[in-house]
Amino acid sequence: DVKVTQSSRYLVKRTGEKVFLECVQDMDHENMFWYRQDPGLGLRLIYFSYDVKMKEKGDIPEGYSVSREKKERFSLILESASTNQTSMYLCASRPGTSVYEQYFGPGTRLTVT
Amino acid sequence: KNQVEQSPQSLIILEGKNCTLQCNYTVSPFSNLRWYKQDTGRGPVSLTIMTFSENTKSNGRYTATLDADTKQSSLHITASQLSDSASYICVVSVGGATNKLIFGTGTLLAVQP
Repeated sequence: DVKVTQSSRYLVKRTGEKVFLECVQDMDHENMFWYRQDPGLGLRLIYFSYDVKMKEKGDIPEGYSVSREKKERFSLILESASTNQTSMYLCASRPGTSVYEQYFGPGTRLTVT
Repeated sequence: KNQVEQSPQSLIILEGKNCTLQCNYTVSPFSNLRWYKQDTGRGPVSLTIMTFSENTKSNGRYTATLDADTKQSSLHITASQLSDSASYICVVSVGGATNKLIFGTGTLLAVQP
């Protein structure tokens, strides 16, 4: 079974803090994704990566950066957390193009106070 | 603009009853359509994935249909169980080089005893 794990289920941070969210997949997938999910808005793509050290902006990259130093690990970084970044963050991975199945992690519920 | 719309937004049914969730999309070019189940506080889990040439696919008590001409899909749940209480998300994959997924906002289903 494909497994996508995220470093924290729940996280509470203060405004202005630097926040790291980590995601690890164990199936050697090329593609990894970070989404945020807010009520009534569905999942929105923040960044994705199709290879080590490669990254592409998604629909809402502002205020975020990412790092992919190893194939299995994709990190989302909030350089200076703000209250409007309070959300559910979901990581996903996929072996190839969008014809393939995409597997999600359990999510990190981030609260910025 | 590529969009996926789901209805109803929420639904309450009694245990043992059947229900049908709807998904309309305006995505071009179309690659495939997926239905995900997302339990509260968890990441989405895939139920079905259908390509252009498939018009029905089952996964246990879940049956998805696809009408590519009218750009509509439905998810039918038979003999509902309390564990079916979740959000059901319709996702359409854009064909071609973008590899992008377009997410609906989901239908929140509550199954009551």
